[in-house]
Amino acid sequence: DARVTQTPRHKVTEMGQEVTMRCQPILGHNTVFWYRQTMMQGLELLAYFRNRAPLDDSGMPKDRFSAEMPDATLATLKIQPSEPRDSAVYFCASGLGQGQEGGYTFGSGTRLTVV
Amino acid sequence: AQSVTQLGSHVSVSEGALVLLRCNYSSSVPPYLFWYVQYPNQGLQLLLKYTSAATLVKGINGFEAEFKKSETSFHLTKPSAHMSDAAEYFCAVKTSYDKVIFGPGTSLSVIP
Repeated sequence: DARVTQTPRHKVTEMGQEVTMRCQPILGHNTVFWYRQTMMQGLELLAYFRNRAPLDDSGMPKDRFSAEMPDATLATLKIQPSEPRDSAVYFCASGLGQGQEGGYTFGSGTRLTVV
Repeated sequence: AQSVTQLGSHVSVSEGALVLLRCNYSSSVPPYLFWYVQYPNQGLQLLLKYTSAATLVKGINGFEAEFKKSETSFHLTKPSAHMSDAAEYFCAVKTSYDKVIFGPGTSLSVIP
């Protein structure tokens, strides 16, 4: 089965450190999303890309978060500097956009703990 | 703007009983609607999707959902709950820009 691969699965870091999360979307999928999940806020859309171009990153704190797609097989989400309030599970999802009615496939997530 | 609400953050049913999870949406255009399930410590898995082909949609694991435009609803049902159905369920709507907005989720517990 095709799957979305996220690394690392778990990350514990100290406040102020840079964190990089990676996502390998399913081959052929042209739309990639980053979501953050917390108990308090639920699933929040941080950013999404189509054909590697950012379409919307309004959900992302711009001063510390950045999302990129260096190529079609890799999406990254960086936090610099990290803060304890960034502790959450970060999910990547991919799919076919541009009006296609399919759903999106999620990765298993990166559980980030900032201490 | 499109949005999704889910009535009931937590639902408990007995094993073998009917499962009903509620979802209402707000959309200015014909929506694409989805139900996802999340098991503990896992990502979200697509259960089913509505794409205007049929109002009654069947998904995996015996779940189905009915799209009712007049009620702006897309409730999820299953005739008989299994213990393995215990999970978090999310209703979602896809916007005209392919952005997927999720509801707050409903945690389903199944009592033996």
